[in-house]
Amino acid sequence: DAGVTQSPTHLIKTRGQQVTLRCSPKSGHDTVSWYQQALGQGPQFIFQYYEEEERQRGNFPDRFSGHQFPNYSSELNVNALLLGDSALYLCASSLGSGRANNEQFFGPGTRLTVL
Amino acid sequence: LAKTTQPISMDSYEGQEVNITCSHNNIATNDYITWYQQFPSQGPRFIIQGYKTKVTNEVASLFIPADRKSSTLSLPRVSLSDTAVYYCLVGDMWSNYQLIWGAGTKLIIKP
Repeated sequence: DAGVTQSPTHLIKTRGQQVTLRCSPKSGHDTVSWYQQALGQGPQFIFQYYEEEERQRGNFPDRFSGHQFPNYSSELNVNALLLGDSALYLCASSLGSGRANNEQFFGPGTRLTVL
Repeated sequence: LAKTTQPISMDSYEGQEVNITCSHNNIATNDYITWYQQFPSQGPRFIIQGYKTKVTNEVASLFIPADRKSSTLSLPRVSLSDTAVYYCLVGDMWSNYQLIWGAGTKLIIKP
């Protein structure tokens, strides 16, 4: 079992560009959540996907969007990048949105640097 | 949503028992307490979860007093590899996305 995988590992973009980050959940998991983690801070919830739909969203602007595919993998898209978007982006998978098991399995993250 | 308060950092030595306390005065009836561990440049890893009294697994113990307004993560006989950031989270068992992550406790283990 490969666990949660994310790609790419690192990414450098310039302000105004767009970026797509990818995540494959742990085998058997159907729910994917995305988090942004700034240096020295805890992860901040961006949104969660279940059954190919965005189920919940944190306090992030519409520049942040996502998608979940039939195989449960997911993408995070960020448009019009700002310097403040530089962070570690974490993907977490779990089983069943709303189920009584909130243990999440996190991937290693994608380090995004915006210049 | 319950908010947690935990020490910013702690130091200890190899072989010692380490206790990290988390305060969550506004915990709700349906809330569970969960602890995660994060190493640099890695995603967080689930350590332990509990609702009340004491929970123990192969990695740690979690002590929760009757009023549930605080909890203590206990790591027995720590090693250098336990150096990490530890997050205390409180949230509804049914909605993990409602968990609020603070800055965590940076635990440094010295030889």
